[in-house]
Formats: sequence, C-alpha cells, structure tokens
Amino acid sequence: QKEVEQDPGPLSVPEGAIVSLNCTYSNSAFQYFMWYRQYSRKGPELLMYTYSSGNKEDGRFTAQVDKSSKYISLFIRDSQPSDSATYLCAMTEILSGAGSYQLTFGKGTKLSVIP
Amino acid sequence: NAGVTQTPKFQVLKTGQSMTLQCAQDMNHNSMYWYRQDPGMGLRLIYYSASEGTTDKGEVPNGYNVSRLNKREFSLRLESAAPSQTSVYFCASKLAGGYNEQFFGPGTRLTVL
Repeated sequence: QKEVEQDPGPLSVPEGAIVSLNCTYSNSAFQYFMWYRQYSRKGPELLMYTYSSGNKEDGRFTAQVDKSSKYISLFIRDSQPSDSATYLCAMTEILSGAGSYQLTFGKGTKLSVIP
Repeated sequence: NAGVTQTPKFQVLKTGQSMTLQCAQDMNHNSMYWYRQDPGMGLRLIYYSASEGTTDKGEVPNGYNVSRLNKREFSLRLESAAPSQTSVYFCASKLAGGYNEQFFGPGTRLTVL
C-alpha cells in the first residue's frame, strides 16, 4: 500500500458545482498537508497548505485535515472552468534540525469543470 | 524574477544515449529537488540537495546522477538512457528550514526510444 492514496478520477462536474477531492494516508508522522494544482503541460503550483488538523479557507477553496482518520480533503465552491486541472495532494513530516524535507505525493485527481 | 527554469523543454533520446537536464533558480533558495512524473504514478522524488554541497537519494534514484553546481543550479544526468526513463521531469526549490513552499519549474518532457 502506498503511503498516500488519491483517486485519479477523472472527475467531471458542471460549472458552479461544489467539488470534493480527497486523499488518505498511512504515515501518522505526517504534519504538513498540501494541495497542488497542475494545469496541463505545466509544473505544479501550491494552492494551499495546512499544518496538523483543522480547516483552512482561501476564497472558494477549503482544505480540511482529519489526522485521527488520516484523511484530507479539498473543497472547491462555485467551481469554474478555469479550475479544470489535476489536483495533487502532498504531505510531509519535518524533522527538527533537518535542512530540507521530502514531499510524498498522491497520484493526482484530474478535474474538468464543464461550462 | 524567472523562478525555476529548466532546459531543455523537450528531448528525444535513443536507448543508451546520455544527457543532462539543467535546472536553475533565482530565488536564493537553499534546497533543490528533482522529480519524475509518470501517468498513474504521481510525482516521485529522484534526488534532492538540502543545501549547496550536499545531495541525497530520493525514492527512485537508480539510473540517475546529480550535481549541485552552485546555489542556483542543480543538474540531473542520465548516463545510459533506458525506455523506462521516459517521463516528465520537474525541478523544484525552496528556502531552507522548517516548512517553506516548494516552487516547481515547467518540466522537461523526455522520450527514450
């Protein structure tokens, strides 16, 4: 079993719908949880990150982390065609004194928002 | 401020050929990374460099070598390319210490025939 599981989709929704994207993980040491957005033939760009459990909201996007269930979610409200992209979850533990950290990525979910 | 740049954008190699993928960042970042992205596999870490002068293996290092040339540049070399190395390669960088965002380059699409 991979450390991070993410349904690759594809997921197709009508414009204006609420989108829910999810990842599960097995490593209880993960502390930082990220969502990256990747447009076709582009590099990933950070959308949101959350430390430990709880919710974080940024405009139409909400990230949720439930460490007890090892489950993270990204919600997109009022989805737009410009949200059509692949969404990658990523997570890491950050060791004290470490100069860097390694991200573990999910496979990504391809989202299409239909006008 | 160009961020993270990668060259070339596209490359086709024959099995057994060698090549070097170049990555440079102008954000004064300390740490740099090389990933590969394959369909159905997500992003996997090949090598990383926590700071200038250090390199470490990631999840899939076999068949690759890296050089941290200076603080700005981190190259990835394929000594004898194989079809299994057909992939999209991404370079990323970040500031050192704690959690800081990793910034990704635009990628290099490599095909090995």
